[in-house]
Amino acid sequence: DVKVTQSSRYLVKRTGEKVFLECVQDMDHENMFWYRQDPGLGLRLIYFSYDVKMKEKGDIPEGYSVSREKKERFSLILESASTNQTSMYLCASSPSYGWGEVGYTFGSGTRLTVV
Amino acid sequence: LAKTTQPISMDSYEGQEVNITCSHNNIATNDYITWYQQFPSQGPRFIIQGYKTKVTNEVASLFIPADRKSSTLSLPRVSLSDTAVYYCLVGDIGNTGFQKLVFGTGTRLLVSP
Repeated sequence: DVKVTQSSRYLVKRTGEKVFLECVQDMDHENMFWYRQDPGLGLRLIYFSYDVKMKEKGDIPEGYSVSREKKERFSLILESASTNQTSMYLCASSPSYGWGEVGYTFGSGTRLTVV
Repeated sequence: LAKTTQPISMDSYEGQEVNITCSHNNIATNDYITWYQQFPSQGPRFIIQGYKTKVTNEVASLFIPADRKSSTLSLPRVSLSDTAVYYCLVGDIGNTGFQKLVFGTGTRLLVSP
């Protein structure tokens, strides 16, 4: 019954590496989101997409980019990983309208460590 | 988007009823109130959503007073497995188009034996 799948549960990368975090949803949702979660800071929105090839910056987009070539897949890219990007990354999806009844569906998260 | 304020943490014992209150003084007419639950090492999970008065489902109840400036999530007879972080969010539920959700830091509930 997995609905939002994140490709890796744990990831360790070196400073300066280009990192790809993949997210796939099987609910035919239009909207997809990337959040990061840090202790004491809650979840913060990095980027979101409301349609294929469309993307919008969230609250903390610096150092990140995204790609949405297919409706079901939303990729987060760290162009040059830095230690301050060590965090838990969460992907979510929702339908365009009426998502209040079901809310957002989140993946299990990817814990990224940059060394 | 309306800002929410909720307690940082709460403690309870198994079998007790837990009420978590969220303040949202700037709630807009089109805004709904939504609560999420997050267990360690997992993504948040939708619990309940409401607009006014009372909403109940198999997991929780949500009480919203007439002025809608606050809301209370009620968890009946909590168990150890209810230990989690609970987030209160306020926003348009998507009936008028796209709107992103903004999460605060949530309330960390610890249920003890």
